[in-house]
Amino acid sequence: NAGVTQTPKFRVLKTGQSMTLLCAQDMNHEYMYWYRQDPGMGLRLIHYSVGEGTTAKGEVPDGYNVSRLKKQNFLLGLESAAPSQTSVYFCASGRDYQETQYFGPGTRLLVL
Amino acid sequence: GQNIDQPTEMTATEGAIVQINCTYQTSGFNGLFWYQQHAGEAPTFLSYNVLDGLEEKGRFSSFLSRSKGYSYLLLKELQMKDSASYLCAVMDSNYQLIWGAGTKLIIKP
Repeated sequence: NAGVTQTPKFRVLKTGQSMTLLCAQDMNHEYMYWYRQDPGMGLRLIHYSVGEGTTAKGEVPDGYNVSRLKKQNFLLGLESAAPSQTSVYFCASGRDYQETQYFGPGTRLLVL
Repeated sequence: GQNIDQPTEMTATEGAIVQINCTYQTSGFNGLFWYQQHAGEAPTFLSYNVLDGLEEKGRFSSFLSRSKGYSYLLLKELQMKDSASYLCAVMDSNYQLIWGAGTKLIIKP
């Protein structure tokens, strides 16, 4: 069991470029989440999914889009990157909304 | 608004006991989680409280008082590997986790 994996681990973008972060889980979890973590702040929920084909907005969704075409994958897209999106992005998954969330290793994104 | 407060940083000695406090004000309450996060790594689950009282799990214990909006994480027999950030998170009425900024725990020999 790999658990939750994320690619890439690190990326540098220029302002205005686009990219997709990939999250994959092999635990057959229904729920998947994308968070960002910034210094001095708690994790903030960007988008989440309660099952294949569903997505919903979290606390800070602006500038991001997501897709969950397959149960095991949850993609986070940045259409036009901005320096304010420099952060560490974590994906997480869970069996149910009240269950423990399992986190991937994170993607460090730097937008210049 | 929703708010989770925990100390920014704490220092303790190897072998000692430390208590990390968390106070919260959220729209609804559906449980409180504690996670551990080593520098540069992912958060990992430590404990979950939904009812008042103490939950013990080895060297770690977590306490909850819903009426006071208060929880603490107690770490006993501290080891150097316990140096990490400890994140408090509350599940609100929408079943979304609201996270504190974390407490960085420094263990000195």
